[in-house]
Amino acid sequence: DQQVKQNSPSLSVQEGRISILNCDYTNSMFDYFLWYKKYPAEGPTFLISISSIKDKNEDGRFTVFLNKSAKHLSLHIVPSQPGDSAVYFCAAGWAQGKLIFGQGTTLQVKP
Amino acid sequence: ETGVTQSPTHLIKTRGQQVTLRCSSQSGHNTVSWYQQALGQGPQFIFQYYREEENGRGNFPPRFSGLQFPNYSSELNVNALELDDSALYLCASSETSGRTDTQYFGPGTRLTVL
Repeated sequence: DQQVKQNSPSLSVQEGRISILNCDYTNSMFDYFLWYKKYPAEGPTFLISISSIKDKNEDGRFTVFLNKSAKHLSLHIVPSQPGDSAVYFCAAGWAQGKLIFGQGTTLQVKP
Repeated sequence: ETGVTQSPTHLIKTRGQQVTLRCSSQSGHNTVSWYQQALGQGPQFIFQYYREEENGRGNFPPRFSGLQFPNYSSELNVNALELDDSALYLCASSETSGRTDTQYFGPGTRLTVL
């Protein structure tokens, strides 16, 4: 059973525009959610997180929104830059520290 | 402050062999988690070690085992390798366990089983 799903395998946006990456989850017991970015031949790099008691967290160009009633979270990148091109993973976790990852979305930002 | 490091970078083994992968956690971190990432998939949780004790395990068979040392570095051992064990193995460290702690990943070890 896939508890965390990223239904869009890929996304292409123009430089300067907004990128919106989506993630759905099924387990309402998750305590927190994170977004990671991954370049080829590197490990995932932490981007931003949000606690289950919040609905928004912002860090520079990155904002994560959490809609608990819909069991949905999204990552907004504004403005998008070519260097943002990578695979983005959402992950959900419990207090026990185990993370459940989605399948990833490949973002391409065109100059 | 050094980040999470893993060794080796790449490894090729044959079916039935055993392999040991190593991870040094980020300075100040006492928890290490191991993940397996198959091609085109997200990382899958294998297990976590907190202060040298296993602290949670994912849906992996017992031939996947681990250790954490007093300096919080860690090893992942896989016995009786199977073709499906070919994957990127990621180690992640965090400051404590049992809270909403961000995990920081190493670059991974690419294991190929022939």
